[in-house]
Amino acid sequence: KNEVEQSPQNLTAQEGEFITINCSYSVGISALHWLQQHPGGGIVSLFMLSSGKKKHGRLIATINIQEKHSSLHITASHPRDSAVYICAVPYSTNTGKLIFGQGTTLQVKP
Amino acid sequence: EPEVTQTPSHQVTQMGQEVILRCVPISNHLYFYWYRQILGQKVEFLVSFYNNEISEKSEIFDDQFSVERPDGSNFTLKIRSTKLEDSAMYFCASQLRTEAFFGQGTRLTVV
Repeated sequence: KNEVEQSPQNLTAQEGEFITINCSYSVGISALHWLQQHPGGGIVSLFMLSSGKKKHGRLIATINIQEKHSSLHITASHPRDSAVYICAVPYSTNTGKLIFGQGTTLQVKP
Repeated sequence: EPEVTQTPSHQVTQMGQEVILRCVPISNHLYFYWYRQILGQKVEFLVSFYNNEISEKSEIFDDQFSVERPDGSNFTLKIRSTKLEDSAMYFCASQLRTEAFFGQGTRLTVV
């Protein structure tokens, strides 16, 4: 069974700062998801990645399969980036069901 | 871009009432999931559905819960007799292979 740990749990940044959120997992996986959850509760999928790096606008996600670690970076952070960021991985190697990290609550102050 | 849609976005119900949460997954996807998130807690797995039957379910998914895909498009989660502790955000997800697509969720409040 996979275990997922995110750090930090809470993060406060000033607008414009570079932000990094980390995710570690215990069992080798086919893919890792980064999700964003806004105060209303809805989930938006940001990235699904299985190797290397993906970029979308100011968001960058990287994954190191050997080290079982992924990072989500936000460049030039903005108050609208304030949200909970969640990483999710497959529960095990032979199922598609996901296990979720506890989330990182990000607040970006103007 | 294809998307998963859930209705309603918010449902308030009295304890003991039945609720049905609806999801329209992406049409060519094969695997469907319900997850829930109690306020302040992690998102947790409820049930997976493949080939018109439940493929896996969690301990939470007891006899009060059921899932159906009645017409080949909608995917529903029914809670027969709601309890206060069923209050949560419920998310539907669909997958073709490894990438999961999530609906925006239904916030269920049991009073």
